[in-house]
Amino acid sequence: GAGVSQSPSNKVTEKGKDVELRCDPISGHTALYWYRQSLGQGLEFLIYFQGNSAPDKSGLPSDRFSAERTGGSVSTLTIQRTQQEDSAVYLCASSSKPGTSWSSYNEQFFGPGTRLTVL
Amino acid sequence: AQSVSQHNHHVILSEAASLELGCNYSYGGTVNLFWYVQYPGQHLQLLLKYFSGDPLVKGIKGFEAEFIKSKFSFNLRKPSVQWSDTAEYFCAVNASPGGYQKVTFGTGTKLQVIP
Repeated sequence: GAGVSQSPSNKVTEKGKDVELRCDPISGHTALYWYRQSLGQGLEFLIYFQGNSAPDKSGLPSDRFSAERTGGSVSTLTIQRTQQEDSAVYLCASSSKPGTSWSSYNEQFFGPGTRLTVL
Repeated sequence: AQSVSQHNHHVILSEAASLELGCNYSYGGTVNLFWYVQYPGQHLQLLLKYFSGDPLVKGIKGFEAEFIKSKFSFNLRKPSVQWSDTAEYFCAVNASPGGYQKVTFGTGTKLQVIP
């Protein structure tokens, strides 16, 4: 498909379990972002990838959260020992590399999100 | 660090009323500014963007926004709202054009349009 895809769309897990959330960015987009959208909290930045490296991890809430990106494409966000406060919609976005087109520079294209519920 | 403030958290309007949603950012240099919209049950999508040039930017569905540098503002406007404009609206800023692409989002404004 042409857009950003995320899987699973919904995930229900028990407190203390680990979860993995996947993001497939738009083909050719080198920048990838993870956000968390909690009820009434807006969009909270988690981590940014340029290629396979993550120059900004400042938004990860704790060391239970980690993310990786391989082959400059797919990214996985892992939450270990989930807690109830981790319940939220996790959004992924991608954007193109600077220089390809100024008009498209920095526009982030969002996926549908993964709704995580921790019981 | 860059930050974005959206002062209206929840706005209720009747159809045909005029809309203005406030957005202020904190950064003194060159910025790219965005408004994103999330309709119920749908993805976040770009409504309009400002990069340079004319500070009055027109987007989809009759929306526009004006960049006022002296006020650090990028307010969203629409002369006459429709029921289908019911959505959540997010203002966003990138304060490092040409470099790191980090975009900071505001907390969002929920717009409810009553038929």
